[in-house]
Amino acid sequence: GNSVTQMEGPVTLSEEAFLTINCTYTATGYPSLFWYVQYPGEGLQLLLKATKADDKGSNKGFEATYRKETTSFHLEKGSVQVSDSAVYFCALRGGYQKVTFGIGTKLQVIP
Amino acid sequence: ETGVTQTPRHLVMGMTNKKSLKCEQHLGHNAMYWYKQSAKKPLELMFVYNFKEQTENNSVPSRFSPECPNSSHLFLHLHTLQPEDSALYLCASSQVLTSGGHPTLDTQYFGPGTRLTVL
Repeated sequence: GNSVTQMEGPVTLSEEAFLTINCTYTATGYPSLFWYVQYPGEGLQLLLKATKADDKGSNKGFEATYRKETTSFHLEKGSVQVSDSAVYFCALRGGYQKVTFGIGTKLQVIP
Repeated sequence: ETGVTQTPRHLVMGMTNKKSLKCEQHLGHNAMYWYKQSAKKPLELMFVYNFKEQTENNSVPSRFSPECPNSSHLFLHLHTLQPEDSALYLCASSQVLTSGGHPTLDTQYFGPGTRLTVL
């Protein structure tokens, strides 16, 4: 079956540091890939997505590139802010209505 | 900004209580979902409703009973819960698109969740 693997964290960075959160997946066919973000006390919000190989999703300074050869969808941001502190979920959608989520990576950005 | 609302935001209940969680989506979507989010575990899909019909039940215990009276509203009725049912319950909605006779799922939008504590 489909699966998503990401580090649990927490990942602790200083403000303006470079961020990478790794995500690898296992799926049959050609899944769509997503990053969701969950701020404290809130539900999940879609951050970005990519629907086919080599697509790059981007939003709010975050980027992720769909790499089929390495089955990866790593999340990056060049300069993090304190307000980016949240839990980040990698997810894939393969087939009808089947969305598989990773365990979530907690990011803490300190001033 | 979210077009999916959930009430209540927090709920504490005893194991013998009966309560209901409510979800409403204002996005014109035709599919709605219940997820359970527990600490240190991936999101667990519980139920899926497509055009008000339940299309998925992921082996959820019968003490959880969903109801979808229309495409905008989704309920989760709770009774005789266990302490291990304490979690954040998230509702989501999406559009189901049909292309060439094959349904495909558009992006899911989540509500803020109900934090449930079972004593």
